[in-house]
Amino acid sequence: DQQVKQNSPSLSVQEGRISILNCDYTNSMFDYFLWYKKYPAEGPTFLISISSIKDKNEDGRFTVFLNKSAKHLSLHIVPSQPGDSAVYFCAASGSSGSARQLTFGSGTQLTVLP
Amino acid sequence: EPEVTQTPSHQVTQMGQEVILRCVPISNHLYFYWYRQILGQKVEFLVSFYNNEISEKSEIFDDQFSVERPDGSNFTLKIRSTKLEDSAMYFCASGGRVSGTDTQYFGPGTRLTVL
Repeated sequence: DQQVKQNSPSLSVQEGRISILNCDYTNSMFDYFLWYKKYPAEGPTFLISISSIKDKNEDGRFTVFLNKSAKHLSLHIVPSQPGDSAVYFCAASGSSGSARQLTFGSGTQLTVLP
Repeated sequence: EPEVTQTPSHQVTQMGQEVILRCVPISNHLYFYWYRQILGQKVEFLVSFYNNEISEKSEIFDDQFSVERPDGSNFTLKIRSTKLEDSAMYFCASGGRVSGTDTQYFGPGTRLTVL
């Protein structure tokens, strides 16, 4: 049951360039989307989120874009830094239930090359 | 900055034994969660907890699992009789919105190894 999909298991980018990580979802009930960053042996760290009423949210070097009609979101990191190298997870929550469980994608390993 | 903490960082147990994983959520948060990640797989939702009761649970969260908030700060996950397939990273998370959680903050995880 792949309601949230990250089709690229890995991405390599040169330092200073833009990193674009993609995520697709199938459940039209999802109305809140998040990106987490994860280092080995650590928990997911919240990066940025977006509500379905918006199509863009920006926080420093991180921007998330949401295309509801395509059920697609992307995370842009500009400029990319070697410290950004980690696994990035897309997650989504919907209106079912009050506690809004998160459904995660499988993650994309980002490597930023110096 | 407040953070979610979890203990122990690594738990090794024999199949059939009971384990209790502990979490201290962020203090003013209202919603609490357990997730797990089996090696090489996705992070999966187990259970959510609000107002001292389970709010939602997944198919994974069967009768072998239970959660408790025994005092004002701790949130625990108990597995009564562990199986080999329970080996995974277990993450606790907490979130704050009264009307429903938008952002969840995760702890560092407990690695559970069942032998």
